[in-house]
Amino acid sequence: EPEVTQTPSHQVTQMGQEVILRCVPISNHLYFYWYRQILGQKVEFLVSFYNNEISEKSEIFDDQFSVERPDGSNFTLKIRSTKLEDSAMYFCATPGGWGYTFGSGTRLTVV
Amino acid sequence: KQEVTQIPAALSVPEGENLVLNCSFTDSAIYNLQWFRQDPGKGLTSLLLIQSSQREQTSGRLNASLDKSSGRSTLYIAASQPGDSATYLCAVPTQGGCEKLGFGKGTNLTVKP
Repeated sequence: EPEVTQTPSHQVTQMGQEVILRCVPISNHLYFYWYRQILGQKVEFLVSFYNNEISEKSEIFDDQFSVERPDGSNFTLKIRSTKLEDSAMYFCATPGGWGYTFGSGTRLTVV
Repeated sequence: KQEVTQIPAALSVPEGENLVLNCSFTDSAIYNLQWFRQDPGKGLTSLLLIQSSQREQTSGRLNASLDKSSGRSTLYIAASQPGDSATYLCAVPTQGGCEKLGFGKGTNLTVKP
């Protein structure tokens, strides 16, 4: 099964700082998703991205969040001014014939 | 809105036991259902994808069944091993098709040696 790669695996940041989480999805896939999982809670949908545009976003995905595909291969999630409640695991995912493939995640800790 | 529920929330069994994890969903118009495994602090590993036209899917010691009409799926693990200890998540597309997934909260499985 092809892999989805995420970097960094763990990031610690101060409240109010900007963070960029990176994902290298499966090549030739057009749909990309970001999900997050707060410790002890369900995996939640954040945003879907299709053909270089946001196709759907959840109510969590407010103006502090943005997604980009800067160079045709990487896929980034930016949080402009982090809050304590942004601390979570963030997952990139892409669907395929075998179902969804998730990356190994970035653990974001906001202090 | 699709709601996914998993029971039990936690399960502890001795090694060698066969066990069943349950998943229920409120909207039966799903395209497929996927079971994942998550180790502590790690990503989601896909275990089985079962299409809406299928009733069962098997991989090794794992067997997933799907009953769309009743909104239920089960994951059967045969001859459990300590290495099976993890959280098991089920997920369904929230709008019926190949779209964003809605997840259950998971079953935290511990298999004791």
